[in-house]
Amino acid sequence: AQSVTQLDSHVSVSEGTPVLLRCNYSSSYSPSLFWYVQHPNKGLQLLLKYTSAATLVKGINGFEAEFKKSETSFHLTKPSAHMSDAAEYFCVVSAGGTSYGKLTFGQGTILTVHP
Amino acid sequence: ETGVTQTPRHLVMGMTNKKSLKCEQHLGHNAMYWYKQSAKKPLELMFVYNFKEQTENNSVPSRFSPECPNSSHLFLHLHTLQPEDSALYLCASSQGPVYEQYFGPGTRLTVT
Repeated sequence: AQSVTQLDSHVSVSEGTPVLLRCNYSSSYSPSLFWYVQHPNKGLQLLLKYTSAATLVKGINGFEAEFKKSETSFHLTKPSAHMSDAAEYFCVVSAGGTSYGKLTFGQGTILTVHP
Repeated sequence: ETGVTQTPRHLVMGMTNKKSLKCEQHLGHNAMYWYKQSAKKPLELMFVYNFKEQTENNSVPSRFSPECPNSSHLFLHLHTLQPEDSALYLCASSQGPVYEQYFGPGTRLTVT
C-alpha cells in the first residue's frame, strides 16, 4: 500500500521569501515521487520527479525537492517566492506491488503569495 | 496542438442528457487516464488504459463509460448523471504505467 500526506493545507508567504511545502509518504516499495502544480481552472503541471537517482531533484521555475528515505519525506522548496507561484501543489507517490503504476495524490497545499 | 488536449473545456448538462468528453494526446504515449477532481477531495483515478486496453476501473458507476479507440484518443461517455458528478474531469497520459503523467486542462462539468 502507498499513501502521501501533505502536512499543510494552506501556506502563505511574502514575495521574495522562501517557500517550503511539506510532504511525507508511505510505501512498501521503492517509490517514485512527484510534485505537480495546478493553477486555477487549469490542469496539473509536472514540477519535478524523483525516480531513485539523485536525492536532490531540481524542477522547473526554481523549485527543488529532496528525497529523505530515513524521514520518508519529499519536501518542496524554492528560495524566493514569486507572485506567479500562487497555486495548489500536489505531492504524488507511485510505487510497486498492488499499487503498480498507480499515482496516489496528496490532498494538496494551497500556496498564497503576498506582495 | 501539443501535449494533452481536452474538449469541451466546460459542459453543462441535465440529468437526462448524454454527452461525451474527448481527450487527445500528442506525446506518443501508450497509457491514458481519466481522473475526477471534486472540491476539497483528493484527485480520484477513474480509468486507466494501456495500449488501448482498459487495465483499471476504480469502481466507477456505469453512468460513466470510457472508450479508447487508439493510443492517442480517450473518450468518457456520460449518461443520466447526478448533480454530485459535477467536477473537473482530467485526462492524462504517460509512456507507461510507472512513468510521470502529463495532464490536460480538464473539462469543468456541471450537472443540473
